[in-house]
Amino acid sequence: GEDVEQSLFLSVREGDSSVINCTYTDSSSTYLYWYKQEPGAGLQLLTYIFSNMDMKQDQRLTVLLNKKDKHLSLRIADTQTGDSAIYFCAESAPYSGAGSYQLTFGKGTKLSVIP
Amino acid sequence: DSGVTQTPKHLITATGQRVTLRCSPRSGDLSVYWYQQSLDQGLQFLIQYYNGEERAKGNILERFSAQQFPDLHSELNLSSLELGDSALYFCASSVEGVPYEQYFGPGTRLTVT
Repeated sequence: GEDVEQSLFLSVREGDSSVINCTYTDSSSTYLYWYKQEPGAGLQLLTYIFSNMDMKQDQRLTVLLNKKDKHLSLRIADTQTGDSAIYFCAESAPYSGAGSYQLTFGKGTKLSVIP
Repeated sequence: DSGVTQTPKHLITATGQRVTLRCSPRSGDLSVYWYQQSLDQGLQFLIQYYNGEERAKGNILERFSAQQFPDLHSELNLSSLELGDSALYFCASSVEGVPYEQYFGPGTRLTVT
């Protein structure tokens, strides 16, 4: 079955790098995602990586994927107070040809940035 | 702003009642996904519609149902509500041609008293 796990809390100082980790169990996952949720808001798609990639960089965000260990990480460079939020890791079900990419989410990691 | 809209923003109702949550996907998106976010279960996939047809089902209770209309908006119907149904309900739509990118609406917060 599918299961996605993340640590619940992370605290970093402003200007430092943040690394949020995630493990997943479904080795046939097609895409792996990072979403951000600010208080009282919906989920914002930050980035995603296809399962045959090792790394993806997008401005301050770097995603690393270790398929052997089923480990995904999100690194935020030069973390700012505006990055304080809950970050969700998610995996999509293997594409079955039916056009469905429902997501399985972790519980979320609350990132607190200390000024 | 993702372009996905949901109404109402908040809903308070009593146990045993029935409510309807509405979602309008991004312009041109044919797929709509519904998710429930609760404190104990986290974010869970409920159901997906594609161009009016049910495409996939997740952990959706029999008391819940959904549909997608010809104008592509979707409604999630929750009936015989229980206290445990209190949650945030999100819908997401996926970009046509890029079905693996899902964009979420702001959610409807349902409180059952």
